[in-house]
Amino acid sequence: GAGVSQSPSNKVTEKGKDVELRCDPISGHTALYWYRQSLGQGLEFLIYFQGNSAPDKSGLPSDRFSAERTGGSVSTLTIQRTQQEDSAVYLCASSLGFLSRDGYTFGSGTRLTVV
Amino acid sequence: DAKTTQPNSMESNEEEPVHLPCNHSTISGTDYIHWYRQLPSQGPEYVIHGLTSNVNNRMASLAIAEDRKSSTLILHRATLRDAAVYYCILRGTSGRGSTLGRLYFGRGTQLTVWP
Repeated sequence: GAGVSQSPSNKVTEKGKDVELRCDPISGHTALYWYRQSLGQGLEFLIYFQGNSAPDKSGLPSDRFSAERTGGSVSTLTIQRTQQEDSAVYLCASSLGFLSRDGYTFGSGTRLTVV
Repeated sequence: DAKTTQPNSMESNEEEPVHLPCNHSTISGTDYIHWYRQLPSQGPEYVIHGLTSNVNNRMASLAIAEDRKSSTLILHRATLRDAAVYYCILRGTSGRGSTLGRLYFGRGTQLTVWP
């Protein structure tokens, strides 16, 4: 596609429920990144993929968070047993490669609200 | 983490040039200097990047100090649409470690443009 697509754009969920956030990167981009941004804060790195593998999972805040990428394309970020502190905008980005000197292209994000 | 230092905020009048400074005294020889900006309620947007030489594109210019310990993003004629948070980021492209290739977003500089 022309850009990075994320869905849903907004998600309101009840505390304790599981949620899945989807990211569809730019075609041909092998590297995919997940960040989150809490209200008024900077971006916090979560995880990145090179192809289907995730060499760096160090940013996931707890074992309730997981992510997968299949076919070197679409990625899903899953948050189990959501908590109120999980409320944030979850941003996905892609680039040609994780060592690429080129920039990232970000999606518009999924705004997650846990009530 | 490769650290950068930026002023918290800057102001400009419309149609005037804006020089956004960034200090990165711990930059390594293989780190690229990237600039992104984030408009309200949007994901970050790539602006420009460089290694040693000054760079120009349709959005901005990047002036890199000879010792590479600082850089300046130049918006030649600010418009109201340039009001955003501007992030200066170092991106490693060689070496070891699972953090290679990640972008570290600090707090950035909030640019206000007055009509």
